[in-house]
Amino acid sequence: DTEVTQTPKHLVMGMTNKKSLKCEQHMGHRAMYWYKQKAKKPPELMFVYSYEKLSINESVPSRFSPECPNSSLLNLHLHALQPEDSALYLCASSQDGYNSPLHFGNGTRLTVT
Amino acid sequence: SQQGEEDPQALSIQEGENATMNCSYKTSINNLQWYRQNSGRGLVHLILIRSNEREKHSGRLRVTLDTSKKSSSLLITASRAADTASYFCATPLEYGNKLVFGAGTILRVKS
Repeated sequence: DTEVTQTPKHLVMGMTNKKSLKCEQHMGHRAMYWYKQKAKKPPELMFVYSYEKLSINESVPSRFSPECPNSSLLNLHLHALQPEDSALYLCASSQDGYNSPLHFGNGTRLTVT
Repeated sequence: SQQGEEDPQALSIQEGENATMNCSYKTSINNLQWYRQNSGRGLVHLILIRSNEREKHSGRLRVTLDTSKKSSSLLITASRAADTASYFCATPLEYGNKLVFGAGTILRVKS
């Protein structure tokens, strides 16, 4: 079990669907992250939120839209995805940016059909 | 961009043996982190070593850092089947605002 909870664990969606991934942490961490991981590859950074404000967007396509409603929650809204967007989406949080360890959730396995 | 390069890409050993994984990086860093990932799961933080540290231990794990060579190693002693996983090094980039992962080493421990 991890201290970062991601839902759903699995998601299958069509290219015209709209869905959301959710992430929650109650460790009081002020930084939260979305990473994307393809099979047999390292995680790739998508977005960073610091104190509930978006601080980094790694040139992610607009079909991915992050949202941080409060310091404990992070959402990733998905719309008009492509099959190549199928991947494991990982949420993480940390106390002090990258000067402290990242705590990861177990991810959402996304399949776009 | 990929900051860390790891070798070997894959390692297969017998239970009880030691496993050593290496990580090289390109730019100056203030810390280097090691993570483990079991198949299909999230990453678990193992050790964070700061640039002014040369060695750090945690249980059966030993991490070294050589900033002059821009390299780090992770040693797992007396390996167990449960150590089978992918291991990644990660370094902060751009004034610590991004954490970039190396390609990873897939470790298989045979019982």
